[in-house]
Amino acid sequence: SQKIEQNSEALNIQEGKTATLTCNYTNYSPAYLQWYRQDPGRGPVFLLLIRENEKEKRKERLKVTFDTTLKQSLFHITASQPADSATYLCAPLDGGRRALTFGSGTRLQVQP
Amino acid sequence: AAGVIQSPRHLIKEKRETATLKCYPIPRHDTVYWYQQGPGQDPQFLISFYEKMQSDKGSIPDRFSAQQFSDYHSELNMSSLELGDSALYFCASSPRTGENYGYTFGSGTRLTVV
Repeated sequence: SQKIEQNSEALNIQEGKTATLTCNYTNYSPAYLQWYRQDPGRGPVFLLLIRENEKEKRKERLKVTFDTTLKQSLFHITASQPADSATYLCAPLDGGRRALTFGSGTRLQVQP
Repeated sequence: AAGVIQSPRHLIKEKRETATLKCYPIPRHDTVYWYQQGPGQDPQFLISFYEKMQSDKGSIPDRFSAQQFSDYHSELNMSSLELGDSALYFCASSPRTGENYGYTFGSGTRLTVV
């Protein structure tokens, strides 16, 4: 069955450091992979999308990589800030199915 | 900019009652998705609609039904409510070419079944 795995434990880092979150998937052939941020009690907010033929995507302090051989995506936040503290969800998307299935998310805590 | 509007924000119902949640997508977004998120869980996909037709189905219980209307708003109808239905319910919308844009989620409806 399809599975999406993200770091189950919270990631605690110091302000100014780079946070790296991992998303591994099995039994997917994703044409796209999306990353979302979710704050408690709020809806997920779309951050970045990366296509299968793209190795890397950047947006301001965010960087996403996509390795279809390893079946893995890495999400980096550089120069992290306490305001980056949230849960980050990844969602690989097969080309045939349009509804996103989310991983369990990684909770990031940036300490001042 | 207009966002996805959900109503009500909070809803308290008793077991075995019915509930109706509403979602108004972003204008010109023709696809609507419903998700359920229990405490400490990731959002679980329930059902989606494209151009008023059901386009995809996830783990939606038979007690739930949904539809999309001519003005593209959608309603999730939940009957014979159970305590386990207590959750946050999110609606999201995307353009038909959603793969390039990501989903826009509403603020959610918090349903509490007592």
